[in-house]
Amino acid sequence: AAGVIQSPRHLIKEKRETATLKCYPIPRHDTVYWYQQGPGQDPQFLISFYEKMQSDKGSIPDRFSAQQFSDYHSELNMSSLELGDSALYFCASSFDRNTGELFFGEGSRLTVL
Amino acid sequence: KQEVTQIPAALSVPEGENLVLNCSFTDSAIYNLQWFRQDPGKGLTSLLLIQSSQREQTSGRLNASLDKSSGRSTLYIAASQPGDSATYLCAVHRLHNNAGNMLTFGGGTRLMVKP
Repeated sequence: AAGVIQSPRHLIKEKRETATLKCYPIPRHDTVYWYQQGPGQDPQFLISFYEKMQSDKGSIPDRFSAQQFSDYHSELNMSSLELGDSALYFCASSFDRNTGELFFGEGSRLTVL
Repeated sequence: KQEVTQIPAALSVPEGENLVLNCSFTDSAIYNLQWFRQDPGKGLTSLLLIQSSQREQTSGRLNASLDKSSGRSTLYIAASQPGDSATYLCAVHRLHNNAGNMLTFGGGTRLMVKP
């Protein structure tokens, strides 16, 4: 069965650089979520999209932005990177945005040097 | 603000044992609860989803229960195997501003099953 696809799997950037992460949800899933998991931490909700519109916002820094495109894939753009942005970034998708099961991708590991 | 706690934080058992992982949450106004497994440096694999109207769900050797009134869920693993070694996370689903399905995670239980 198709799963959530994230790219790149690993990314190394310098401080103050910009990074873009991509997420391709499971087919027919219309809701995408982004989570950040720091070292030794549990995942924290960043932002979600439903039908290409921002649905909800969590602890996403102002330096970050995201969008969902017409083919339902989503991109997380991170600018002015800081050392503390080093984390595993997960994308998840669901079929029912209210009560449905969330399926997570393998994550994108960002290292900021 | 919803807080989710998992006990124990770490657990080491010999192969073949039955074990129980605990999850508690402070706000009982939840929609669903989902259990995940995470291997080191890997993604989150969904194990079980318990909808708010349900009291338990079963999948193979796994059984999860939900008691909303007491703010608790348990994940029961029968006949544990070394391949079950991983971190197990519970996550509470909640609607926020009628706009989506957000998860609040517990800190996880790191399970080690020794051969």
